[in-house]
Amino acid sequence: EAGVAQSPRYKIIEKRQSVAFWCNPISGHATLYWYQQILGQGPKLLIQFQNNGVVDDSQLPKDRFSAERLKGVDSTLKIQPAKLEDSAVYLCASTLSGGPLYNEQFFGPGTRLTVL
Amino acid sequence: TQLLEQSPQFLSIQEGENLTVYCNSSSVFSSLQWYRQEPGEGPVLLVTVVTGGEVKKLKRLTFQFGDARKDSSLHITAAQPGDTGLYLCAGVEYGGSQGNLIFGKGTKLSVKP
Repeated sequence: EAGVAQSPRYKIIEKRQSVAFWCNPISGHATLYWYQQILGQGPKLLIQFQNNGVVDDSQLPKDRFSAERLKGVDSTLKIQPAKLEDSAVYLCASTLSGGPLYNEQFFGPGTRLTVL
Repeated sequence: TQLLEQSPQFLSIQEGENLTVYCNSSSVFSSLQWYRQEPGEGPVLLVTVVTGGEVKKLKRLTFQFGDARKDSSLHITAAQPGDTGLYLCAGVEYGGSQGNLIFGKGTKLSVKP
């Protein structure tokens, strides 16, 4: 079974530029998460989708970050414009359904973003 | 402030030694998970604990959930170089929004041959 796919794996941009990340979850997984992991810290949830609807985006900096999952399968996360403090690894994860109480979250390899 | 505090932050030991890492909070959690993350990869789930006082074993790894469901520990017996990685605890806060996972900062373990 294929895992969670993310691209690109690495991205270097200058501040104020725009960037987009793509995630394809495991087939059949209804719930998709985007996390931000700053060096030396644990992942922080940015947004959770259930199918194509947003369940929780309370920690998403909406002035510069946006995310969509139009057909309930793959998802994109965009930053516009990027700031230096956005340098981090952006992780995508998926589960069969609902929250993580019993369901295992499967993580992709992440996209490492460097903002210069 | 960090909801889940992990200690120690860094641990460097020799192959064959035993070690324990801790995950503490003042909040109660419905469940708690432990993940291992290797460089350039996403976290991989090791175990989920749900019941206060629960102990789970996975080969040389022993996980314990505190009686009050506020803390957890991971004990590794006879560590091997393959155990090297970042160990993250993550919990679903009791009564928390959407049941989402909250991660600690992790313990970076290095096991030298």
